[in-house]
Amino acid sequence: SSELTQDPAVSVALGQTVRITCQGDSLRSYYASWYQQKPGQAPVLVIYGKNNRPSGIPDRFSGSSSGNTASLTITGAQAEDEADYYCNSRDSSGNHYVVFGGGTKLTVL
Amino acid sequence: QVQLQESGPGLVKPSGTLSLTCAVSGGSISSSNWWSWVRQPPGKGLEWIGEIYHSGSTNYNPSLKSRVTISVDKSKNQFSLKLSSVTAADTAVYYCARDSLTRDMTAFDIWGQGTMVTVSS
Repeated sequence: SSELTQDPAVSVALGQTVRITCQGDSLRSYYASWYQQKPGQAPVLVIYGKNNRPSGIPDRFSGSSSGNTASLTITGAQAEDEADYYCNSRDSSGNHYVVFGGGTKLTVL
Repeated sequence: QVQLQESGPGLVKPSGTLSLTCAVSGGSISSSNWWSWVRQPPGKGLEWIGEIYHSGSTNYNPSLKSRVTISVDKSKNQFSLKLSSVTAADTAVYYCARDSLTRDMTAFDIWGQGTMVTVSS
């Protein structure tokens, strides 16, 4: 399957923990990567692989995976974490193309 | 560090061909990475268009495959996108990105700033 499904919107109280999920059959074969996008800016990679953060990404961001679901967790959400979050992976049917989830708008209350 | 910069016309006429180039600086396009184009219509999500390896191998989004050509110019350290028969639905911010692909993941670790392309007469 070539689809990745995300909840359109999620909210979290300042300082609390939030989990953003991504579902798709390809996640049984590939790890998801996660991107943060703020208005008017290019996406930024925040999590890749099993649970890796690029340099400069705060350690409050973490990733996990189980079956066909990948999760991005923000522990102690900050106001600056308010953004759109996208997951992606490769199609697992052998066609070698990339798929993105529809994105989740995170609101920090 | 590696940086990407998109360039090309910001306005394309309907039925015409959209052409963009992504210049790679601070590193070689012949490194062990795939190089992708991603677009984002106004107010919508990210859509992967296609990718190229320095050898010239390509993969395309099946929904766009009939209209897309991605090429590489190693001498100029850049890669390019051509999208033919454009309509208003192709209006979007177009990004180029580097994919640090491994056996079990794909990760777009470097992105260009994006360039807005409007399809209009």
